[in-house]
Amino acid sequence: EVQLVESGGGLAQPGGSLRLSCAASGFTFSTYNMNWVRQAPGKGLEWVSYINTRSNVIYYADSVKGRFTVSRDNAKNSLYLQMNSLRAEDTAVYYCARDRLQLDYFDYWGQGTLVTVSS
Amino acid sequence: SYELTQPLSVSVALGQTARITCGEDNIGTKNVHWYQQRPGQSPILVISRDSGRPSGIPERFSGSNSGNMATLTISSAQAGDEADYYCQVWDSSTVVFGGGTKLTVL
Repeated sequence: EVQLVESGGGLAQPGGSLRLSCAASGFTFSTYNMNWVRQAPGKGLEWVSYINTRSNVIYYADSVKGRFTVSRDNAKNSLYLQMNSLRAEDTAVYYCARDRLQLDYFDYWGQGTLVTVSS
Repeated sequence: SYELTQPLSVSVALGQTARITCGEDNIGTKNVHWYQQRPGQSPILVISRDSGRPSGIPERFSGSNSGNMATLTISSAQAGDEADYYCQVWDSSTVVFGGGTKLTVL
């Protein structure tokens, strides 16, 4: 069974940092591209970042470019999102999602981890 | 920038057909995917690549895409279909989601 389990969310101060993790199981993690998607309270889905299997193709939404860094460790079956210079508008549930092929649809999603940015 | 326009809400009587649209110029040239999100839950894929139906998704769910509009159709709507629905495409190395449509089954 495919499972994606996010962790690392919590309360951060404006200007602060958090590192999210996504633990993958039930499939060969190293062969799938991955994404981060977020959802602010009561709002719609917003894509955050994409990373390919080898970590040599990475994309970011303009809203996080220069502040967030996506990475992965295929040996540990894990995806990460380093979030720096956090703003109140980064408050959201953050989901990791598996990309079915390359720049394709998201066939599995995690349960999400809540990030709250507030003083 | 590429933006996908969805109606904020759609209502459908129990057992009738609901149609949720997703519009943008020349969307018919892209692969459109649809997700269902029930309250408090993660999104799940209900239609892939315009009209593909993933394993486990009822045949009542179908999709189409042509010209400037993609459509998610839910036939014989059930109470359990009440949820938010999002369309999604890739455009110039970014993912674009529609704003979401709240489906109410009356």
